[in-house]
Amino acid sequence: DAGVTQSPTHLIKTRGQQVTLRCSPKSGHDTVSWYQQALGQGPQFIFQYYEEEERQRGNFPDRFSGHQFPNYSSELNVNALLLGDSALYLCASSFRAGADTQYFGPGTRLTVL
Amino acid sequence: GEDVEQSLFLSVREGDSSVINCTYTDSSSTYLYWYKQEPGAGLQLLTYIFSNMDMKQDQRLTVLLNKKDKHLSLRIADTQTGDSAIYFCALWGDNQGGKLIFGQGTELSVKP
Repeated sequence: DAGVTQSPTHLIKTRGQQVTLRCSPKSGHDTVSWYQQALGQGPQFIFQYYEEEERQRGNFPDRFSGHQFPNYSSELNVNALLLGDSALYLCASSFRAGADTQYFGPGTRLTVL
Repeated sequence: GEDVEQSLFLSVREGDSSVINCTYTDSSSTYLYWYKQEPGAGLQLLTYIFSNMDMKQDQRLTVLLNKKDKHLSLRIADTQTGDSAIYFCALWGDNQGGKLIFGQGTELSVKP
């Protein structure tokens, strides 16, 4: 049973560029949440997707957007990259949004130069 | 908003018990989680406790919840060098919708 998978593992971009990160949820899960983890900090919630819609959003600007596909996989897009966007981006999957336990993927390390 | 605090560092000797503490402000938290993160890796779910419980034991792990003091702890018995990692407490409640609120993490160092 495959767990949560994310791609790519690492990514290097320059300021102003755009990036797309991908996540496939754990088998049987239909909800994907995205978190940003800056160095030395705990993860911060970006948004959650369920039934192909953004259900909840954290305190992140509109430069951060996402999408969920019919197979429950998800993408995180970040436009106009800033140096401060450098972080580990974590995807978590769960079942039916809300209280179900969230299982995390290995993350994508984004470096913005 | 919700505030979750953890001490940043803990150092123990191999074979000793480790106790990692977490305090929070929102008493409506329903599920309280402990995750482990090894260097360069994602988060591994260790255990969780429901808010109507005081204690949960799972092999070497014991979780204690004091709702009155809004205090959560994780005890690791017979700590091994492989337990060296960063440990995060995370809270979920009806007030938070789908999101988990994390502490800043406690770095556990286990010395042989």
